[in-house]
Amino acid sequence: AQSVTQPDIHITVSEGASLELRCNYSYGATPYLFWYVQSPGQGLQLLLKYFSGDTLVQGIKGFEAEFKRSQSSFNLRKPSVHWSDAAEYFCAVGTVTGGGNKLTFGTGTQLKVEL
Amino acid sequence: DAGVTQSPTHLIKTRGQQVTLRCSPKSGHDTVSWYQQALGQGPQFIFQYYEEEERQRGNFPDRFSGHQFPNYSSELNVNALWLGDSALYLCASSLAVAGIHNEQFFGPGTRLTVL
Repeated sequence: AQSVTQPDIHITVSEGASLELRCNYSYGATPYLFWYVQSPGQGLQLLLKYFSGDTLVQGIKGFEAEFKRSQSSFNLRKPSVHWSDAAEYFCAVGTVTGGGNKLTFGTGTQLKVEL
Repeated sequence: DAGVTQSPTHLIKTRGQQVTLRCSPKSGHDTVSWYQQALGQGPQFIFQYYEEEERQRGNFPDRFSGHQFPNYSSELNVNALWLGDSALYLCASSLAVAGIHNEQFFGPGTRLTVL
């Protein structure tokens, strides 16, 4: 069965500093990988996705992520964090089985931005 | 384009009661998935509906059931509510493409509180 691990429950960074959120996955086949962001009381917004091809993917709001098959990782990065980036971030693996597909999420990383 | 909409926004029920949550998918989408997000956790997959049938189900008891209508909208029903059902229920819609995990778009969720 697939699983996603986000080792960092909370991360605090200063505004303008760089950011890296870690994500490790377990899945037997080539995964579909996603990063979502959730602001308080809100649904999930897709930041970026990896299906195949270039292992460095660009997303919205200046985020990028790198797929490393050898490490089973899909870490999210941003060169310079803005105060509005404070939110919860979820990594997810998408699987296709039988007639359906589903997302399996990690437990999330809460990002706090210090001004 | 209204995106994915869910109703109601908030709901309070007592143990043993039944609840129905509603979801309208993004225009052009034909598949609806439901997720449960407990406080401090990542979303967990409940089930997915396509062509008015449940085509994949997560590890949830039969108390959780659903329905999809000809216009692709969907309902999630939970019977015999207990305290542990308190959570944010998220609906996601997508366009079915065989063998592909297409991006799922999430609604804002329904916050269910069971007292």
